[in-house]
Amino acid sequence: QQPVQSPQAVILREGEDAVINCSSSKALYSVHWYRQKHGEAPVFLMILLKGGEQKGHEKISASFNEKKQQSSLYLTASQLSYSGTYFCGTGNAGGTSYGKLTFGQGTILTVHP
Amino acid sequence: ETGVTQSPTHLIKTRGQQVTLRCSSQSGHNTVSWYQQALGQGPQFIFQYYREEENGRGNFPPRFSGLQFPNYSSELNVNALELDDSALYLCASSLISGETQYFGPGTRLLVL
Repeated sequence: QQPVQSPQAVILREGEDAVINCSSSKALYSVHWYRQKHGEAPVFLMILLKGGEQKGHEKISASFNEKKQQSSLYLTASQLSYSGTYFCGTGNAGGTSYGKLTFGQGTILTVHP
Repeated sequence: ETGVTQSPTHLIKTRGQQVTLRCSSQSGHNTVSWYQQALGQGPQFIFQYYREEENGRGNFPPRFSGLQFPNYSSELNVNALELDDSALYLCASSLISGETQYFGPGTRLLVL
């Protein structure tokens, strides 16, 4: 089951904040966030493991609510370089599906000057 | 330390043909996963290889097959190509299964 991302698209001015959400109907072991620019490979942003932890990476941080099976990506004081499509990939623990990431449909983020 | 590389970058084939795509994993990584990304969609998991053995497979037919070599590089083979196989094919390597996956630049396949 593919995780559901919201919103589908967001337009910001430089310096504004954004939140991208990722929800799954299945129990999660991990959530992986990537950013992909047009015509390029997805670039790893961060991984969150089961345990409700929050991670930060300069002005980009994320949380993982294991009970709600949701993760959110927080982008603060956005820069032009943040533009791209953001994907969450969810991982399940154990069995033959271990290591498989199931990606959401993506959120298109556009930052204008 | 070199990142994940893939070849070729672009490929055009006709329906019914066969194709082989190649991937070199990041130095020290023994796990390779392959994904298919259609235009405007998220990547879809095809399969994963760990130490030369298939370690999980997505909902793709048997005409999608793979190999991993002792140096951990990998191949994706697709037989009897269909128009719907047109997509960006991404490989991703990780230190161990379940951990962070680093993507290569992809091979864009067009089936006519």
